[in-house]
Amino acid sequence: AQRVTQPEKLLSVFKGAPVELKCNYSYSGSPELFWYVQYSRQRLQLLLRHISRESIKGFTADLNKGETSFHLKKPFAQEEDSAMYYCALQAGGGATNKLIFGTGTLLAVQP
Amino acid sequence: GAVVSQHPSRVICKSGTSVKIECRSLDFQATTMFWYRQFPKKSLMLMATSNEGSKATYEQGVEKDKFLINHASLTLSTLTVTSAHPEDSSFYICSARDIRGSYEQYFGPGTRLTVT
Repeated sequence: AQRVTQPEKLLSVFKGAPVELKCNYSYSGSPELFWYVQYSRQRLQLLLRHISRESIKGFTADLNKGETSFHLKKPFAQEEDSAMYYCALQAGGGATNKLIFGTGTLLAVQP
Repeated sequence: GAVVSQHPSRVICKSGTSVKIECRSLDFQATTMFWYRQFPKKSLMLMATSNEGSKATYEQGVEKDKFLINHASLTLSTLTVTSAHPEDSSFYICSARDIRGSYEQYFGPGTRLTVT
């Protein structure tokens, strides 16, 4: 079964502290994984994609196929990072391949 | 950047009536659009994949006769909730993928439907 699990509903940290948002997936094929972010009163937007191997707004995520994980990390959290974060798995190939979302983690960065 | 709009942003309707929600890609063409439903404090649930010029593909458990999807052009998909009931009250979000083959889905701002 295709599934994305985000075990934490809420993660509260202080400004400057490291952040790790956990994501585990279940997928029989070769996965393509994403992190989407939704800031307050804004629409969902792509944060980063595992294939790109890039750092966006200081965030990185490494795909670990052995542990079937794609945790999102940032060494020093900022208040503006407070948002809802969704891990997503792209299932299948082709133009109509769909995204399967985790339940999301609300990151609250305290001053 | 790619922008997706939804109309209306909020709608209140009476039980038994139908309501139509529009999803438009404003500055790109989309052969594929997706419709999601988001429950309070829960994740996005994919309802259906909308393909321009063909029938939508519905996810398991989603009633195709209740949630009618039409994707008549490369920039517009509509979701019609027919014979709405209070349990249909939810936040409906669409996304679109650029015809040029980008992997990225661009999301609309969502539509809050309340059925009284």
